[in-house]
Amino acid sequence: DGGITQSPKYLFRKEGQNVTLSCEQNLNHDAMYWYRQDPGQGLRLIYYSQIVNDFQKGDIAEGYSVSREKKESFPLTVTSAQKNPTAFYLCASSILLAGQETQYFGPGTRLLVL
Amino acid sequence: AQKITQTQPGMFVQEKEAVTLDCTYDTSDQSYGLFWYKQPSSGEMIFLIYQGSYDEQNATEGRYSLNFQKARKSANLVISASQLGDSAMYFCAMRERGDDMRFGAGTRLTVKP
Repeated sequence: DGGITQSPKYLFRKEGQNVTLSCEQNLNHDAMYWYRQDPGQGLRLIYYSQIVNDFQKGDIAEGYSVSREKKESFPLTVTSAQKNPTAFYLCASSILLAGQETQYFGPGTRLLVL
Repeated sequence: AQKITQTQPGMFVQEKEAVTLDCTYDTSDQSYGLFWYKQPSSGEMIFLIYQGSYDEQNATEGRYSLNFQKARKSANLVISASQLGDSAMYFCAMRERGDDMRFGAGTRLTVKP
């Protein structure tokens, strides 16, 4: 089955700790994205990558880092510099649909700070 | 400034009836795309429907249709024959040329039996 997988489903972080969220896709999509969602709010873009070995900051990149060494994988690291990391994190990849890039999402990872 | 506005934090609809979820957007571009996503309690965002700014016909996808009024900059989602499984958060989003996808704050739809 083709799709986007994110792991883990729930992640706990201690103060001062870096944690990495996994995102994998087997859809052969070029572009991948990371979003943060806070309760009762829409999605905000953290980072995105249009091709391998290249990525760009989104609106709220501070305290986060990414890598794109393989087309299928776009892991997100939440660093200790991110002071309020508790949120729901969604990964997406996109494809051109009727001339417009359409994003498809993974199931998400919920990050909680202990 | 807000690019996407969803003015209804919550909506209720009786099962089997139709419901309209409002979305207005702000852009000076001529070329843009409008999207609706459904987010059930599990958290995953499910793509529902897309409308291009140059499309003259309203997009339809099964029970979903998009009421596109370009002059008013509105892109309302219409769900016909509501089902209990339609209860979820619904997000409107826009992508302008060369820009990132922008999401609204969402509308929580509850379908009553």
